[in-house]
Amino acid sequence: GAVVSQHPSWVICKSGTSVKIECRSLDFQATTMFWYRQFPKQSLMLMATSNEGSKATYEQGVEKDKFLINHASLTLSTLTVTSAHPEDSSFYICSASTGTAYNEQFFGPGTRLTVL
Amino acid sequence: RKEVEQDPGPFNVPEGATVAFNCTYSNSASQSFFWYRQDCRKEPKLLMSVYSSGNEDGRFTAQLNRASQYISLLIRDSKLSDSATYLCVVNAYSSASKIIFGSGTRLSIRP
Repeated sequence: GAVVSQHPSWVICKSGTSVKIECRSLDFQATTMFWYRQFPKQSLMLMATSNEGSKATYEQGVEKDKFLINHASLTLSTLTVTSAHPEDSSFYICSASTGTAYNEQFFGPGTRLTVL
Repeated sequence: RKEVEQDPGPFNVPEGATVAFNCTYSNSASQSFFWYRQDCRKEPKLLMSVYSSGNEDGRFTAQLNRASQYISLLIRDSKLSDSATYLCVVNAYSSASKIIFGSGTRLSIRP
């Protein structure tokens, strides 16, 4: 149980294009999903918290107009990297909370974005 | 001071050894605690939740010390497959909105 999928698993795009990443909870409903970014040999950095049906909460320093988050249903959240640049190249990982009192998070397999 | 601190390692230990990591947290109001493991270029996977009474899962034991604000992970009879980065995760409030990851401790098990 508690499986989270992400699509695509990797993407290469040209600078200036937009990339959409999907995060799905496959066997549970996730009222809250989280988006992280991880650069090589660094820790996960929380970008934003996404609640179903409401606006995402962005961490300090994360541009909400550049990283668009939509959490349209209890099983799907999307992250769109708009006008991507090479410095946006990173490993993007989503997670979903089961909503239990202990709030364990389960992670998607990640999306490796490379912007040329 | 970081909200969650871990010794980055690397810890390099022989197969079969016992190894322990600590993780300290600064917010005394923290509610829940977890250990995740992350393999190279993979997503983190939940290893254990850490309960106030401590908990054990096979070769892994997790402890919480609220007075000193740290959690620990003990791995007994370590296997080569235990080589990974171990992430300490703290949920600072009762809601899910303040999840803090430690920077991770790298563990390498040698034959």
